Amino acid sequence: DSGVTQTPKHLITATGQRVTLRCSPRSGDLSVYWYQQSLDQGLQFLIQYYNGEERAKGNILERFSAQQFPDLHSELNLSSLELGDSALYFCASSVSGGINIQYFGAGTRLSVL
Amino acid sequence: AQRVTQPEKLLSVFKGAPVELKCNYSYSGSPELFWYVQYSRQRLQLLLRHISRESIKGFTADLNKGETSFHLKKPFAQEEDSAMYYCALQGQGGSEKLVFGKGTKLTVNP
Repeated sequence: DSGVTQTPKHLITATGQRVTLRCSPRSGDLSVYWYQQSLDQGLQFLIQYYNGEERAKGNILERFSAQQFPDLHSELNLSSLELGDSALYFCASSVSGGINIQYFGAGTRLSVL
Repeated sequence: AQRVTQPEKLLSVFKGAPVELKCNYSYSGSPELFWYVQYSRQRLQLLLRHISRESIKGFTADLNKGETSFHLKKPFAQEEDSAMYYCALQGQGGSEKLVFGKGTKLTVNP
């Protein structure tokens, strides 16, 4: 167990809907990262938060947004869902500050029907 | 641009045979390199990082800056090594994001 908790484990929803994925980082970690894993694109970095502030943005669609709360948990919001958004969404956390190890959660599997 | 290439999607070996999973990277600087492993239906786990130079579960990886490679090796594969292996790069300065290769699925046959 990495100490990073993601809920829910599975989500099944319809096109056009909106969902929220939740991530609780390891105790003491200030950075949270979101990644999308799909069959065709592999593992892609979406966004990073550090101590409540957005730190870096990757290939994140405008329909997607995230935030990190004062207790350091993070939420990834996906709206106007399309079939192509079906993927495994991973959260990772790290202490941050320079080169660091990222510890991954078990992921949320999103199926858009 | 930061890029990680794992040329083999699939790799199959027999138990006890040596295994090498290839990883090449593109980065204008000195990156930090990692190998992550994902066993069936489980989370990504760090296997090793080049800066620590340690051997985990019998795996080692050597950074070759001239060839921009970070191949993962194990002299004697075990059935429990069957998994997806991802090579990842982390750049210095700025974002601490990981850039992953597409992964290699290793199957160790009995």
